[in-house]
Amino acid sequence: EPEVTQTPSHQVTQMGQEVILRCVPISNHLYFYWYRQILGQKVEFLVSFYNNEISEKSEIFDDQFSVERPDGSNFTLKIRSTKLEDSAMYFCASSASLDRGVGNEQFFGPGTRLTVL
Amino acid sequence: AQSVSQHNHHVILSEAASLELGCNYSYGGTVNLFWYVQYPGQHLQLLLKYFSGDPLVKGIKGFEAEFIKSKFSFNLRKPSVQWSDTAEYFCAVNAHGNQFYFGTGTSLTVIP
Repeated sequence: EPEVTQTPSHQVTQMGQEVILRCVPISNHLYFYWYRQILGQKVEFLVSFYNNEISEKSEIFDDQFSVERPDGSNFTLKIRSTKLEDSAMYFCASSASLDRGVGNEQFFGPGTRLTVL
Repeated sequence: AQSVSQHNHHVILSEAASLELGCNYSYGGTVNLFWYVQYPGQHLQLLLKYFSGDPLVKGIKGFEAEFIKSKFSFNLRKPSVQWSDTAEYFCAVNAHGNQFYFGTGTSLTVIP
């Protein structure tokens, strides 16, 4: 069964450093997402991406964050200058459709645990 | 703003007990509703979903959920839990656009 993959599984970085989290969505999916989950808190939406541009983003997704689809398979989340409060589990997701009448479930990757020291 | 509430933060049950996890949401329009499960060390997996039609939805592994529009609820049920059901359960709502709103999750521990 196709699945979303993410690398690395765990990233440790110093405050102020840039990090790039990588995701490979399911191959025939067209819509891509990033979520994060701070330890003990709920899963929060960051951004959605379609047709090589951001379609929605939350208040969390400020200028420190960017997303890119550098090639036909990868989808990346970059945090330009990490802060302590960026420590969280970051989940990538993809969906085949946005058609809410048909079914727009999102398939999630295993997550990348980011630890900012 | 949309919100999703899961009132049970941690549930402990013995095997064969019945399970009901509550989920309420705040959006008044048309919604798509989901339950995801996260087994220890694994990623979020879809248990079941509701888009339209029969408000009683059956999912994988014997789980079902009932959409009650008047109560803004989508509670998850299973008549007889197993040890392997130990996991974190998340309710999610898609009300408009393509972002999902998640509840805080319910941790289920099933004692053999």
